[in-house]
Amino acid sequence: QQQVKQSPQSLIVQKGGISIINCAYENTAFDYFPWYQQFPGKGPALLIAIRPDVSEKKEGRFTISFNKSAKQFSLHIMDSQPGDSATYFCAASPFQGGSEKLVFGKGTKLTVNP
Amino acid sequence: KAGVTQTPRYLIKTRGQQVTLSCSPISGHRSVSWYQQTPGQGLQFLFEYFSETQRNKGNFPGRFSGRQFSNSRSEMNVSTLELGDSALYLCASSLPGRLQETQYFGPGTRLLVL
Repeated sequence: QQQVKQSPQSLIVQKGGISIINCAYENTAFDYFPWYQQFPGKGPALLIAIRPDVSEKKEGRFTISFNKSAKQFSLHIMDSQPGDSATYFCAASPFQGGSEKLVFGKGTKLTVNP
Repeated sequence: KAGVTQTPRYLIKTRGQQVTLSCSPISGHRSVSWYQQTPGQGLQFLFEYFSETQRNKGNFPGRFSGRQFSNSRSEMNVSTLELGDSALYLCASSLPGRLQETQYFGPGTRLLVL
């Protein structure tokens, strides 16, 4: 049972373009939504995260948009660069007395062409 | 501050054997989580340890087990290895608090079962 659905599986964008990755969740107990970036041979690294009390969070070229009623959230990468080429994972976590369990989407492989 | 370290980085085992993987969290981090990453299933939560106690467990068979030591270092063990256990095993550490905290991932241990 996949609790976080991520799309698309792969994405090709030209340098300077906007990359958009979407995720949808089912469990209304989720209340923390991070995005991770993973380069080949490396572990995932936190990119940006949001909690449901805000609808948007921006950090540099990266923006999370959150729609609580639709149970959807998305990552926008503005002015995409070849160095952004990596696999991106959305995740969600329920608040269970501080438990750190993360449920991940299947990932999106982003390729930014120069 | 040094990041999360995992040893060994690569491991080749045969079916039926057992394996122990090690994780040293970031200094001061007391929560350690383990994840299995495969191309087909993506990132899946194995278990989380805090203060030497397993606080949460994913849907994996009992062949997968772990423990945490008083210095927060953690080990996971897989007994009676199967071909399907071939994966990247990732460890993540965090400062547990009232809300979910950022999980910092190590580079992973790549296990190949022949």
